[in-house]
Amino acid sequence: QKEVEQDPGPLSVPEGAIVSLNCTYSNSAFQYFMWYRQYSRKGPELLMYTYSSGNKEDGRFTAQVDKSSKYISLFIRDSQPSDSATYLCAMIGAAGNKLTFGGGTRVLVKP
Amino acid sequence: NAGVTQTPKFQVLKTGQSMTLQCAQDMNHNSMYWYRQDPGMGLRLIYYSASEGTTDKGEVPNGYNVSRLNKREFSLRLESAAPSQTSVYFCASSPYRTSGNTDTQYFGPGTRLTVL
Repeated sequence: QKEVEQDPGPLSVPEGAIVSLNCTYSNSAFQYFMWYRQYSRKGPELLMYTYSSGNKEDGRFTAQVDKSSKYISLFIRDSQPSDSATYLCAMIGAAGNKLTFGGGTRVLVKP
Repeated sequence: NAGVTQTPKFQVLKTGQSMTLQCAQDMNHNSMYWYRQDPGMGLRLIYYSASEGTTDKGEVPNGYNVSRLNKREFSLRLESAAPSQTSVYFCASSPYRTSGNTDTQYFGPGTRLTVL
């Protein structure tokens, strides 16, 4: 069983819809949680990061962490075709320097 | 400021051939990483270098070697390529400190390697 599980999708939504992505994990030592966006044939780019449980909002993006359930989410409001990409969750322990990634969810936003 | 650069962008090898993937960063970051990305497997860490002069194995190090040439450059070498090493390889860097700060990693554009 992988340490971080993520539904591969694809997740297809109409433009303007809310995109809901999530990851589950098994290692309770993870403290920092990140979401990366990866466009086709490009490297991943950091989208958001959160520390421990709670919510964080940045424009149309909201990241949620529920450490008690070992579950993190990313919501994209008012989705645009330019949001079509693969979204990877990643996490790391308090003093570590090695990220553990989920497998990524492919998102398609149709005009 | 180019960020993280990788060469080559594409490469085709025959089984048994060797090659070196190059990576450089101009952000004065301490740590550098090599990942491979395969369909459905996400990013898996091959090797990393927490600081200049040190290297450590990641999750999938077999068949690879690395060199941290200086603070800017971190190369990945395949001594005898195998078809199982067909993948997309990403280099990343981060300003990692041992105080436990969030490790924000910045990725290069990737090298697509095919081993026949």
